Amino acid sequence: ETGVTQSPTHLIKTRGQQVTLRCSSQSGHNTVSWYQQALGQGPQFIFQYYREEENGRGNFPPRFSGLQFPNYSSELNVNALELDDSALYLCASSWRPGYNSPLHFGNGTRLTVT
Amino acid sequence: AQKVTQAQTEISVVEKEDVTLDCVYETRDTTYYLFWYKQPPSGELVFLIRRNSFDEQNEISGRYSWNFQKSTSSFNFTITASQVVDSAVYFCALSEETGANNLFFGTGTRLTVIP
Repeated sequence: ETGVTQSPTHLIKTRGQQVTLRCSSQSGHNTVSWYQQALGQGPQFIFQYYREEENGRGNFPPRFSGLQFPNYSSELNVNALELDDSALYLCASSWRPGYNSPLHFGNGTRLTVT
Repeated sequence: AQKVTQAQTEISVVEKEDVTLDCVYETRDTTYYLFWYKQPPSGELVFLIRRNSFDEQNEISGRYSWNFQKSTSSFNFTITASQVVDSAVYFCALSEETGANNLFFGTGTRLTVIP
């Protein structure tokens, strides 16, 4: 069973640039969620995708957007990067949406904005 | 509004000591799930346990045990006979019935087990 994989592992960008982070979900999972974890904080929910549609969104501005593909992999796009976007971005997959379906997390992408 | 509080920012114990990590939550929902995750230095969040709001039975899994008390809105986690490999950041999280299964995480407790 293949777990959740994220790429790249680390990324450095300049303020104002755009970035795309990628996630492959665990085999058999059709739901992908993205979280932002600032240094020393707990992860915060960005959004969730189910069957290629956004299925819920946290308190993040529209410059955070996403996609889910037919193979259930996903992308997180962030436009007009700000210094505060520096964080660990975690992707998690689950076998379906819903609060009782455990999330399986990847190792994350550490984004640094300078 | 939902909230998860982990008041202990950092804890250090000597190997083989027992340690309890506290978690207090707030929610208006009557149906919800509580979780504990472990985050080692690699960054991945490792699922430890899920407990629904209707099941107040305590649970034991090896050296790990969890104490869920709805009366005090607490879901504490105890590691017995701690080991160096237990060193990590531990997060308590809450998921409510409505909406996507987004987890509300606490700020975490960094546990260091000293050999």
